[in-house]
Amino acid sequence: GESVGLHLPTLSVQEGDNSIINCAYSNSASDYFIWYKQESGKGPQFIIDIRSNMDKRQGQRVTVLLNKTVKHLSLQIAATQPGDSAVYFCAERGSGGYQKVTFGTGTKLQVIP
Amino acid sequence: SAVISQKPSRDICQRGTSLTIQCQVDSQVTMMFWYRQQPGQSLTLIATANQGSEATYESGFVIDKFPISRPNLTFSTLTVSNMSPEDSSIYLCSAGVSYNEQFFGPGTRLTVL
Repeated sequence: GESVGLHLPTLSVQEGDNSIINCAYSNSASDYFIWYKQESGKGPQFIIDIRSNMDKRQGQRVTVLLNKTVKHLSLQIAATQPGDSAVYFCAERGSGGYQKVTFGTGTKLQVIP
Repeated sequence: SAVISQKPSRDICQRGTSLTIQCQVDSQVTMMFWYRQQPGQSLTLIATANQGSEATYESGFVIDKFPISRPNLTFSTLTVSNMSPEDSSIYLCSAGVSYNEQFFGPGTRLTVL
């Protein structure tokens, strides 16, 4: 039968509240940090990225914060909606000639109506 | 943006056989990638598909096991060769004009018996 994967960390948020999803990264030489959203049965979808020389970037209803001192990245979602329910992955992009993207472990966001 | 389609969407295969997964992009893109994702887990990059030349494989993945073709800017295939149950996974194709903003296909769910 199908193998059972590891249980993802889960964040449960009431609809209308703000969500904060956190991520720790490992490579201090990464050039960009990226957030992806993956809904059940679908491929990941790009949300927003931030360059390593920035500490904050805002998009539509989302804000990404970068703290390079402690190697921490967060995604804030304002006024969380049921459609925001998904698994969120942080990812980092290497610098230099081979800029591959490495995905971190995901966080499952459950929005309670 | 780019729309990515994959075929097949799922398959159940016998041990020792091979399966070729197709990835089609609706526009010309610079980059195409193949990832593997165990259910409930993160994405692992298998290789970068290079147009007209051999793919660039990540550590732990080899061409004999995962041959990749990319004959043009909109199409790529990944073959999973001599399959074993450990190859059961979701295989995802992505494409884009930058490393950061990759557009993902819906994935191919493979079960090997």
